[in-house]
Parts: sequence; structure tokens; C-alpha cells
Amino acid sequence: KQEVTQIPAALSVPEGENLVLNCSFTDSAIYNLQWFRQDPGKGLTSLLLIQSSQREQTSGRLNASLDKSSGRSTLYIAASQPGDSATYLCAVRLLVGGNQFYFGTGTSLTVIP
Amino acid sequence: EAGVAQSPRYKIIEKRQSVAFWCNPISGHATLYWYQQILGQGPKLLIQFQNNGVVDDSQLPKDRFSAERLKGVDSTLKIQPAKLEDSAVYLCASSTTSGRAILQGTDTQYFGPGTRLTVL
Repeated sequence: KQEVTQIPAALSVPEGENLVLNCSFTDSAIYNLQWFRQDPGKGLTSLLLIQSSQREQTSGRLNASLDKSSGRSTLYIAASQPGDSATYLCAVRLLVGGNQFYFGTGTSLTVIP
Repeated sequence: EAGVAQSPRYKIIEKRQSVAFWCNPISGHATLYWYQQILGQGPKLLIQFQNNGVVDDSQLPKDRFSAERLKGVDSTLKIQPAKLEDSAVYLCASSTTSGRAILQGTDTQYFGPGTRLTVL
């Protein structure tokens, strides 16, 4: 069974700071890995999807990396803004056993103006 | 493109009562998922439909939970009777599951806003 862990559980940073969120998973036979953002009372919004053959993806101030061999992914947020405050979830999908997501417990990010 | 719609957004019931949630996926999406997200945890898959057939319901507590997807479009998730530990946000998601997206590893799921259930 795939276990997904996210560290830290909560993070508070001043506006403008660069930050890194960590995700680790136990089964390296993944189909893809996706980072989501969840705002209070709302559903999940996809930020970045990394295919199993890729090592990183970038979108604006966000950069996600993937190291399958070590079972790790990082989400890098540059020049953080108060609007980035949300919970960030990492999810992996396996090559076999259906295409369900295995989610981490998330990192709650607060960016202080 | 309209997103995944869910209703109601909030529901408060007493234990042992029944409750039902509704989901309308993105038009043309063949696959529909129901997730349960307990406070402080990541979402957990309850059931997955491909068109109107069940693909995976291994984590659905079948003694009290049921779900259906008639005509391969809308879906309902029912809890009867509810327990205190069912308090959670119930998320619906859909995906195209196209052959090309699967081959490329780009198949993604689109989530609705969720239904927050409180069982007293």
C-alpha cells in the first residue's frame, strides 16, 4: 500500500520568502505525482502534475521536482505572497491497482504580510 | 467549461439519520470519484466509477455507505445510518480517462467544492 507523508504539517513565513514543501512516498512505481492546493471550504485545485518520466515541472512561481528512486517530491514556491496561504496536498498514483490518488496529509501554509 | 458541481455544500444531521450527497461531473468525463476527507487528513478514495460501473469500492464501508451513478453522469452517495466518525468533507472528482492522457501520464482529476457533513 502506498504511504504518502508531507513535512512540515504547518509552515508560517513572511511575505517574499522562498519556501519548500516536502512529500515522500513509499512505492516508487508511480504513474504520476500531483500537487494540489486546497483553500478553506473549497475543493482541490491542481497546481502541477509530474509524469513518472519527468523530473520537474514549473508554473509561474511554482516548481515541483520528482525523484522516484528516493521516493521524494518537493514543491518550491518563490517570492511567497499572502494569497499563497492554503493547504498544499501531494498525491501519487500507481502504475497498477487502479488509478486512485494516494494523498498526503498536507502542509498548511500561512504567508504573513 | 463548467466544473464539478456538488450539493449540498453543508449538512448537519444527528447520528443514525440518513443523508445523501449529489455530484455532477464535468461534461464528457467518464470517470467519477468520491473521496472522504476527515479534518487534518488527506482525502481517501471511497468509490470510483467508470461510466456507470464500479471500478473500485474497496474502501467504501458498505454496511452503511452506498453510491450509484445512473446513466453514467450524475452520482449520489448515501450514508444510512450515519455515525459520529462520518463527520468529514465529501469530495467528488471526475476525469476524462482518455487513452492518450493515460499513455502520456497526464490524466488528472478535477474536484468539486465538497460537502461538509457534521454528525451530532
